[in-house]
Amino acid sequence: QKEVEQDPGPLSVPEGAIVSLNCTYSNSAFQYFMWYRQYSRKGPELLMYTYSSGNKEDGRFTAQVDKSSKYISLFIRDSQPSDSATYLCAISPTGGGNKLTFGTGTQLKVEL
Amino acid sequence: DVKVTQSSRYLVKRTGEKVFLECVQDMDHENMFWYRQDPGLGLRLIYFSYDVKMKEKGDIPEGYSVSREKKERFSLILESASTNQTSMYLCASSLKYGYTFGSGTRLTVV
Repeated sequence: QKEVEQDPGPLSVPEGAIVSLNCTYSNSAFQYFMWYRQYSRKGPELLMYTYSSGNKEDGRFTAQVDKSSKYISLFIRDSQPSDSATYLCAISPTGGGNKLTFGTGTQLKVEL
Repeated sequence: DVKVTQSSRYLVKRTGEKVFLECVQDMDHENMFWYRQDPGLGLRLIYFSYDVKMKEKGDIPEGYSVSREKKERFSLILESASTNQTSMYLCASSLKYGYTFGSGTRLTVV
């Protein structure tokens, strides 16, 4: 079983839609959860960083962690064409600056 | 802003060549990482380093080595390039809160 599973998509939504991206993980030792966004032919960039269970909001983005279900989500409100990218979840047992395990990424396309 | 610079965006090398991929960061980060990214497989950790002259194997170190002689520079070496090492290579550095990635090097081994 992979340590973290992520649906690869592609996911296509109309502009303005609410997008839900999800990952599941297998090891309850993971405490730190991140979302990265990767545009085509670029390196990933950190979008959201959370520790433990709960929600964290930043503008149109909300990261949610449910440790009891080992399930993490990223919600994008009022999606824009500029949100079209691949979104990768990443998890770590010891901190966001240490060794991370990444999901395979979900490709998102927001259409006009 | 932290900047992570990878020396080449695109490289084409022949099978059996020794290949050097260079990565430099400018924010005094302790930790540096090398990943490769392949469709359907995601990011896989090759090697990482938490300090100068220190290195640790990641999940797929076979066929690779690394060098960290200075804090800001982390080099990935393909000892004898093979076609199955054709991939996107990503370098990252970090302190506490997540990685900063370089733009990647797309390596093709022919």
